[in-house]
Amino acid sequence: GNSVTQMEGPVTLSEEAFLTINCTYTATGYPSLFWYVQYPGEGLQLLLKATKADDKGSNKGFEATYRKETTSFHLEKGSVQVSDSAVYFCALSDRDTGNQFYFGTGTSLTVIP
Amino acid sequence: EADIYQTPRYLVIGTGKKITLECSQTMGHDKMYWYQQDPGMELHLIHYSYGVNSTEKGDLSSESTVSRIRTEHFPLTLESARPSHTSQYLCASSELSETGGVGELFFGEGSRLTVL
Repeated sequence: GNSVTQMEGPVTLSEEAFLTINCTYTATGYPSLFWYVQYPGEGLQLLLKATKADDKGSNKGFEATYRKETTSFHLEKGSVQVSDSAVYFCALSDRDTGNQFYFGTGTSLTVIP
Repeated sequence: EADIYQTPRYLVIGTGKKITLECSQTMGHDKMYWYQQDPGMELHLIHYSYGVNSTEKGDLSSESTVSRIRTEHFPLTLESARPSHTSQYLCASSELSETGGVGELFFGEGSRLTVL
């Protein structure tokens, strides 16, 4: 079946530090992969996505590359800011399983000045 | 900017009350979803709909019910609320992507329910 496994949190970083949040997936078909972000008190919003192998999604300085050989979609940012403090969710959607979304458990990030 | 709205944002009620959480979207999306988010942040799909008059139960069993009489409206109802229903409820909708698969999910801001 389909599933997403992402790095346990919480993660605490100093401002301008490098961020990596690991995400690996299991899928029966050829999924699309997503990173969503949830700021305190809000719903989730799409951060970036990739729809096929070797695609790189990027937005607001965040990047993630769809790696089929390692079934991974790790989120990275070179220099985090306090405003990046949020919960990050990795997700996949697979047409072979009715286009349902499968979410990871979320990783809480706190960036301190 | 997503056009999906949830009301109320916050609700505190007593045990045994009937409640309805409203969700509306103005994007014309056929697919809509309800997720329950526990304090540990994990999301659990409790209901979804592929269009008008279509409703399905999700992965997590829930005592709530939903209806889809209009494309833009997907309310969730609890006939008799209990403290175990205390949670954050997130509504979402999605469109088809250019490849025919599901595009991104658009989420509302959530309804935080507390049952005393």
